[in-house]
Amino acid sequence: DTEVTQTPKHLVMGMTNKKSLKCEQHMGHRAMYWYKQKAKKPPELMFVYSYEKLSINESVPSRFSPECPNSSLLNLHLHALQPEDSALYLCASSQDPGGAYEQYFGPGTRLTVT
Amino acid sequence: DAKTTQPTSMDCAEGRAANLPCNHSTISGNEYVYWYRQIHSQGPQYIIHGLKNNETNEMASLIITEDRKSSTLILPHATLRDTAVYYCIVGATDSWGKLQFGAGTQVVVTP
Repeated sequence: DTEVTQTPKHLVMGMTNKKSLKCEQHMGHRAMYWYKQKAKKPPELMFVYSYEKLSINESVPSRFSPECPNSSLLNLHLHALQPEDSALYLCASSQDPGGAYEQYFGPGTRLTVT
Repeated sequence: DAKTTQPTSMDCAEGRAANLPCNHSTISGNEYVYWYRQIHSQGPQYIIHGLKNNETNEMASLIITEDRKSSTLILPHATLRDTAVYYCIVGATDSWGKLQFGAGTQVVVTP
């Protein structure tokens, strides 16, 4: 199984809502990533988790809060978002954060903030 | 800023080879060259990667110049399903797997 799953596929939320995005992989990968992709732009890295610990935060605003409850699961908690946060949120995983390993991407969650 | 330079777009005829160039003149000795592609509205898909030797897998071939300052991704027999944005990325093994995507090349395969 080389699949990364993300739920929900689509999410519409108001600026005062709290919601969470979920990402799951069962490949035994020890590195997991969150990316944000605006329309017609390339993906931008947000967070890297290595062995369930946050290793990289690319200066992401605190209204985005990542969580890695176990080695298979990655969440992104959203609170008080702005309309400009509307984007495709992609999750990825790789075998190990070190070394030259390919990343497997999920299909993404398309988020609209109203 | 991305460490690679790619053409904005390319057209390719179905059944022909597609050769996608990438310049990475500031590549460091411990940085690999990775290629990913993204079909519209899907997550990126890994294609291939290499350090200095040429590489081939079931999807594509990667040719890296001897000075490692540029590379070419070859799709041997392009199909309509290969229409996508292709990203050339350089990344080091000690960078937590960070992928810094550039603008990529929009490849359109036509019948």
